[in-house]
Amino acid sequence: QQQVKQSPQSLIVQKGGIPIINCAYENTAFDYFPWYQQFPGKGPALLIAIRPDVSEKKEGRFTISFNKSAKQFSLHIMDSQPGDSATYFCAATISGNTPLVFGKGTRLSVIA
Amino acid sequence: KAGVTQTPRYLIKTRGQQVTLSCSPISGHRSVSWYQQTPGQGLQFLFEYFSETQRNKGNFPGRFSGRQFSNSRSEMNVSTLELGDSALYLCASSLGLAGSDEQYFGPGTRLTVT
Repeated sequence: QQQVKQSPQSLIVQKGGIPIINCAYENTAFDYFPWYQQFPGKGPALLIAIRPDVSEKKEGRFTISFNKSAKQFSLHIMDSQPGDSATYFCAATISGNTPLVFGKGTRLSVIA
Repeated sequence: KAGVTQTPRYLIKTRGQQVTLSCSPISGHRSVSWYQQTPGQGLQFLFEYFSETQRNKGNFPGRFSGRQFSNSRSEMNVSTLELGDSALYLCASSLGLAGSDEQYFGPGTRLTVT
């Protein structure tokens, strides 16, 4: 029940494409869903986060779509650039109660 | 504002030895969480400290321990190292409890056990 399943494991898109990374969870008590971006040799950095009271959130080229009934959420990267090549992690938690539970990560490569 | 710092950045130890890793959180942050990152298992939670008290503990053996000091700096210790302990150990700090506030990660300590 504490798992977050992330797919795909890896993704290759051309510059300008829209990569989509999906995550699914089981625990309906989760109420905070962040996405992290990690470059080689660096720690993960918070990219964007959503709570279940909204179905979509945009920050720049990054959009989270949230489907509460399906217990799924996804990250879309608009107009992807080679600099977006990184590993992306979704996570979930019960605010103030449990630690972040991370998906296994998606390695994204954006080729010019 | 300085970010989360971790020392050392790289460490090579022999099986059976013990190791201590250090984490200095962002100034003013009271929560420090530790994670183990491996290619196979991804990011796995080790423990969280808030105001010097362990709040949560992940599913790791007792060989993994930690503590937090009054200045919020934290250390984690691994005793009787095993080959499988080779990983990137990440520390993250937040203003309040993890999950309530944004977590900021350090660059990690790369531990290699031979």
